[in-house]
Amino acid sequence: AQSVTQPDIHITVSEGASLELRCNYSYGATPYLFWYVQSPGQGLQLLLKYFSGDTLVQGIKGFEAEFKRSQSSFNLRKPSVHWSDAAEYFCAVVPPTGGGNKLTFGTGTQLKVEL
Amino acid sequence: DTEVTQTPKHLVMGMTNKKSLKCEQHMGHRAMYWYKQKAKKPPELMFVYSYEKLSINESVPSRFSPECPNSSLLNLHLHALQPEDSALYLCASSQVINEKLFFGSGTQLSVL
Repeated sequence: AQSVTQPDIHITVSEGASLELRCNYSYGATPYLFWYVQSPGQGLQLLLKYFSGDTLVQGIKGFEAEFKRSQSSFNLRKPSVHWSDAAEYFCAVVPPTGGGNKLTFGTGTQLKVEL
Repeated sequence: DTEVTQTPKHLVMGMTNKKSLKCEQHMGHRAMYWYKQKAKKPPELMFVYSYEKLSINESVPSRFSPECPNSSLLNLHLHALQPEDSALYLCASSQVINEKLFFGSGTQLSVL
C-alpha cells in the first residue's frame, strides 16, 4: 500500500546534541516530500520541501533533510538542537500519480529536548 | 502578509447548534484547504478548494459544509455535530493546489 511512515513516535535528545528524524515512503515513483513542525495547539509550519534536484535540502531554523532514492527515505536532521525545537514533526508527501494530488501526513514524531 | 487567519480560536457548541469557522488569507493563493486533527494524530484532509471551486471532498459527513465566497475566504459551516467531531480544525492555503501549504493556527472545537 502507498504510505508515508515515521518509525519513531517519540524521540528525546539533549540540548546541543544532533538530531535525526526518520521518514520513509512507499510509492512507485518519488513523491513530493515535505517536513512540517507543529507546536502544541498551533498550526503547522513548513520546514523544507523536496521536489527534485539536489538531494540535500536546506530549510528554516537550521534544519536540513536528505532524500535517498535507494532507501525511499527523507530524513530530517539538525546538527545542534535547541530547547525551542521541542514539538511534533510531520513528514508529508504528495503522491506522484494516482494519489488525488493530496498532501498526506505521516503519524508524526514527538521531539522532547532535555536541558 | 504571509498569514492564514482563523477565527474563532476556540469554540464550544452543543449538538443542536449551528456555527461557522472562518479562514482568511491575503497572499493571493488560489487553493484553500480544511484539515481536521485529533489529539496526537496527524491532520486529515477534509476539503480542498481550487480557484474557488470544490476540488476534493474526502467523504466528509454532510454536517460539515464548506463554502468559498471568494479567493481570500474559506468557511466551514457546522450543524448537528457529534462529540467525536471535537478536534482542532486547520485551514491552509497554497499558491496552487498542493504547492507549499501555509497553515493557520486552527480552531479548537469542542462539541458537548
